[in-house]
Amino acid sequence: GAGVSQSPSNKVTEKGKDVELRCDPISGHTALYWYRQSLGQGLEFLIYFQGNSAPDKSGLPSDRFSAERTGGSVSTLTIQRTQQEDSAVYLCASSLYRDRNYEQYFGPGTRLTVT
Amino acid sequence: GNSVTQMEGPVTLSEEAFLTINCTYTATGYPSLFWYVQYPGEGLQLLLKATKADDKGSNKGFEATYRKETTSFHLEKGSVQVSDSAVYFCALIDTSGSRLTFGEGTQLTVNP
Repeated sequence: GAGVSQSPSNKVTEKGKDVELRCDPISGHTALYWYRQSLGQGLEFLIYFQGNSAPDKSGLPSDRFSAERTGGSVSTLTIQRTQQEDSAVYLCASSLYRDRNYEQYFGPGTRLTVT
Repeated sequence: GNSVTQMEGPVTLSEEAFLTINCTYTATGYPSLFWYVQYPGEGLQLLLKATKADDKGSNKGFEATYRKETTSFHLEKGSVQVSDSAVYFCALIDTSGSRLTFGEGTQLTVNP
């Protein structure tokens, strides 16, 4: 079956612009996660969604970052007024349930470059 | 808070050499432990996992044993291949949540 897909695969934007990154999880997966992979910080958790529960936003680095998940499926990560330190690969993952015994399947990522 | 520490890379080996990548962790309770692999140009893939002390995870010739007494989860393979060249990440999920906490990653290059 289809895996996790993300779009765009690459995004170059000017400092100060807003960007939207999209994630399509595996069908039927109730849990969805966003992570960020950057040279200075490694792989870090940003936010996760589980069903209709309130999302855990504790990993978002600033209030310029927000995310939503519509209809329990597709998710969009929005970064407002982008800064150069936002340059990173943004990874989305999904799992059947929000439980450590269920594998998280990762998408290929969106490489964001802020100039 | 939770943390994962991996041996610094990069690691360069010849084909058929023995591989060890060290990983130690700090976490509350009894976390689940994972090794993820990222091949060039591809996304993260789960390589193996262990969910309780003394469990051994294994896959594709790789093994790692959950050692609670030393808070370690070292990755080993007896004979590496060129196709094993990738970045390897040790990670954990603690008992209070489901977010993954990753180590810094170790770049492995295997030469023919």
